[in-house]
Amino acid sequence: GAVVSQHPSWVICKSGTSVKIECRSLDFQATTMFWYRQFPKQSLMLMATSNEGSKATYEQGVEKDKFLINHASLTLSTLTVTSAHPEDSSFYICSAQDRSSGNTIYFGEGSWLTVV
Amino acid sequence: TQLLEQSPQFLSIQEGENLTVYCNSSSVFSSLQWYRQEPGEGPVLLVTVVTGGEVKKLKRLTFQFGDARKDSSLHITAAQPGDTGLYLCAGHRGYQKVTFGIGTKLQVIP
Repeated sequence: GAVVSQHPSWVICKSGTSVKIECRSLDFQATTMFWYRQFPKQSLMLMATSNEGSKATYEQGVEKDKFLINHASLTLSTLTVTSAHPEDSSFYICSAQDRSSGNTIYFGEGSWLTVV
Repeated sequence: TQLLEQSPQFLSIQEGENLTVYCNSSSVFSSLQWYRQEPGEGPVLLVTVVTGGEVKKLKRLTFQFGDARKDSSLHITAAQPGDTGLYLCAGHRGYQKVTFGIGTKLQVIP
């Protein structure tokens, strides 16, 4: 099946710094990728929809200046958490939509962010 | 706005029992997908249903798409501890128009 890869799997950063998470579709082109946040024992919370070559569409309540999304190519989207604070610590997951297989969505493995 | 209602949200059962998870909507979907997520990992695609009334089986898991393509169910027969996880449904109404259910957290007790 299609593979979506996230990097890094784990990251620890200091408060006030920025951290970038990458999401790659390895064997298909993804004009649309999605970014989610997941708190322990809860479901996925959609943060934004990332469109290749255009601005991301953010969900209500998600700060676009805090969570910068770039989708510069058909296989790569990045999420940058700027000026990170401990409350930004979470499990971040991306997914990519494969138009060639009926718009099937495949998820990445997730990235654990800990802000200290 | 939660356009795809998933129920139950939590389910704790004994090993060997059967269970059904439902996803319901007032919208018609072109396709619907089910995923399972284990703690600390990304969701893994289980199945895609496309045709109204379609039934797909994956070992002890049976997936059904409603005739009107507005709802779907996941039935697990003789649940095993390895079935424990978060089950998500996602409905598609065209490219980029995808809606996720809130998830069902299943715990199978040995």
